[in-house]
Amino acid sequence: SAVISQKPSRDICQRGTSLTIQCQVDSQVTMMFWYRQQPGQSLTLIATANQGSEATYESGFVIDKFPISRPNLTFSTLTVSNMSPEDSSIYLCSVAGIYPTDTQYFGPGTRLTVL
Amino acid sequence: AQRVTQPEKLLSVFKGAPVELKCNYSYSGSPELFWYVQYSRQRLQLLLRHISRESIKGFTADLNKGETSFHLKKPFAQEEDSAMYYCALKMGGSEKLVFGKGTKLTVNP
Repeated sequence: SAVISQKPSRDICQRGTSLTIQCQVDSQVTMMFWYRQQPGQSLTLIATANQGSEATYESGFVIDKFPISRPNLTFSTLTVSNMSPEDSSIYLCSVAGIYPTDTQYFGPGTRLTVL
Repeated sequence: AQRVTQPEKLLSVFKGAPVELKCNYSYSGSPELFWYVQYSRQRLQLLLRHISRESIKGFTADLNKGETSFHLKKPFAQEEDSAMYYCALKMGGSEKLVFGKGTKLTVNP
């Protein structure tokens, strides 16, 4: 498996501001993903972070709201833009491409509260 | 559309009793199924993959394509099994996971 860290672990933000979440992996991985887990809900995939190209977003998620960067094979960022209270969630990154290759490994998550 | 259903939001059993967490999926192709577990204050971690057909921490899960199910079972529950359990589906040719809503298992002493 891989060691996956996220920063910050939690934050409280004001409406209208933006927050960038970082995901760092201790080894090179093929794929990185960003998920959202709203209170009492399951995990929903936001996008696949592609190294060197634009992220691939799932239905209902757009780049203007959730810009993603992936400059290399070990690092990615997710920005939550122009936040509203509805964005209060846990945001998780996950990685795949480490043996066993059909498995995703998850970071600890970032708990975001928007006031 | 692909969907994973975990019908029980909460499940409570006594220590030593058998436990079964239900998972049904909807997918027309060849699925890969997983069980993930999240213990209190810990990150989400893989428990089982159907491909490996292994038993982890006494848990087993068999993919039943006829019933489109992947129920998680353990013959004798332990208090340390108390956690949130998520069933997840990976569609063929994709690395993306579709998660169920999760079942919170409580094992009482």
